[in-house]
Amino acid sequence: NAGVTQTPKFQVLKTGQSMTLQCAQDMNHEYMSWYRQDPGMGLRLIHYSVGAGITDQGEVPNGYNVSRSTTEDFPLRLLSAAPSQTSVYFCASRADGFYTFGSGTRLTVV
Amino acid sequence: DAKTTQPPSMDCAEGRAANLPCNHSTISGNEYVYWYRQIHSQGPQYIIHGLKNNETNEMASLIITEDRKSSTLILPHATLRDTAVYYCIVRVGGGYQKVTFGTGTKLQVIP
Repeated sequence: NAGVTQTPKFQVLKTGQSMTLQCAQDMNHEYMSWYRQDPGMGLRLIHYSVGAGITDQGEVPNGYNVSRSTTEDFPLRLLSAAPSQTSVYFCASRADGFYTFGSGTRLTVV
Repeated sequence: DAKTTQPPSMDCAEGRAANLPCNHSTISGNEYVYWYRQIHSQGPQYIIHGLKNNETNEMASLIITEDRKSSTLILPHATLRDTAVYYCIVRVGGGYQKVTFGTGTKLQVIP
């Protein structure tokens, strides 16, 4: 039982490049979410999903796309990376009020 | 979900009890109080939760006031490994409401 797995752990992008941050969970949780964490800013919700085929925006959705084709996977896409998207990204799944977080992806956009 | 308010930072001497407060004055009757902590740059981890009764587990105790408008997380004997950011959130037990974590309380345990 791996919990929530995020890949990659580190990534450097050039401005304008696109990439997908991967998130997978093996706990059959319907709810999954993406957060970004900047120094001193706490965790800010980007997008979330309440089940396969259902996604919705969080606090800071601009510049990010998500899809949920399966219960297990919830990828986060950056279509055109900007330096303002330099951050640590956490994926989480949830059952009732209990969150399980991944170990994070540290993204730097230069 | 109800909004929570926590002090941005606190210090605690090693071996002493750490008492972390959280205000949630707009909490609804069916909303639970959950505490998580984030050590260094890891993902947050669950600590404890409660509805209206005080709760205790191997990690901590949770004291919820009678009017449920505030709560306190107690780490009975803080160690250096308890240095972390502690988040208090409130939400209903089930359902699909989105939750924001806020900035939490940075607890520094001092040798």
